[in-house]
Amino acid sequence: ETGVTQSPTHLIKTRGQQVTLRCSSQSGHNTVSWYQQALGQGPQFIFQYYREEENGRGNFPPRFSGLQFPNYSSELNVNALELDDSALYLCASSFRTGNTGELFFGEGSRLTVL
Amino acid sequence: GENVEQHPSTLSVQEGDSAVIKCTYSDSASNYFPWYKQELGKGPQLIIDIRSNVGEKKDQRIAVTLNKTAKHFSLHITETQPEDSAVYFCAASEGAGSYQLTFGKGTKLSVIP
Repeated sequence: ETGVTQSPTHLIKTRGQQVTLRCSSQSGHNTVSWYQQALGQGPQFIFQYYREEENGRGNFPPRFSGLQFPNYSSELNVNALELDDSALYLCASSFRTGNTGELFFGEGSRLTVL
Repeated sequence: GENVEQHPSTLSVQEGDSAVIKCTYSDSASNYFPWYKQELGKGPQLIIDIRSNVGEKKDQRIAVTLNKTAKHFSLHITETQPEDSAVYFCAASEGAGSYQLTFGKGTKLSVIP
């Protein structure tokens, strides 16, 4: 079984630009969550997608948006980038009805905003 | 919302010694408490978890204890090895089904050979 893969691994943007990050879920998983991890901090929940709909959102502004596709892959879009958006963005997949609660994380996309 | 505090932020131990990391949480509704290990350049990986109906859980050299009354839980690693060196995160969720985790700030564990 393939794990969670994210692209791109690194990218640099300037303030005000827009960015799209991509995630392929682990085979068999139907739920995708996105987390933001600032340097030296723990991951912070952005939102979760289940059956192509947003199903839970953390304390992030509307310029953070996402999509989940029928094959359960996902995108995170961030508009009007700010310097504080510089972070590692982690995608995690899971199987919603499973009782383990385990999230399977990708290696992340490191975004630098200049 | 939930708030998770984690201590210490850094921890150095000699190989073979034990390591203990402690976390407290604020939301009494939280009932699922996982621990993740993050190695350099990688995403977090689940190492052990515990639910609120259990007080202790063990998996080989790793154990987790939970005190719901005091709202704290701890990770214990015995017989530490150099490959245990990583950043460890505790987290809390209102339930395994929500998958919305609130993480602590992490503990950087260094195991000295």
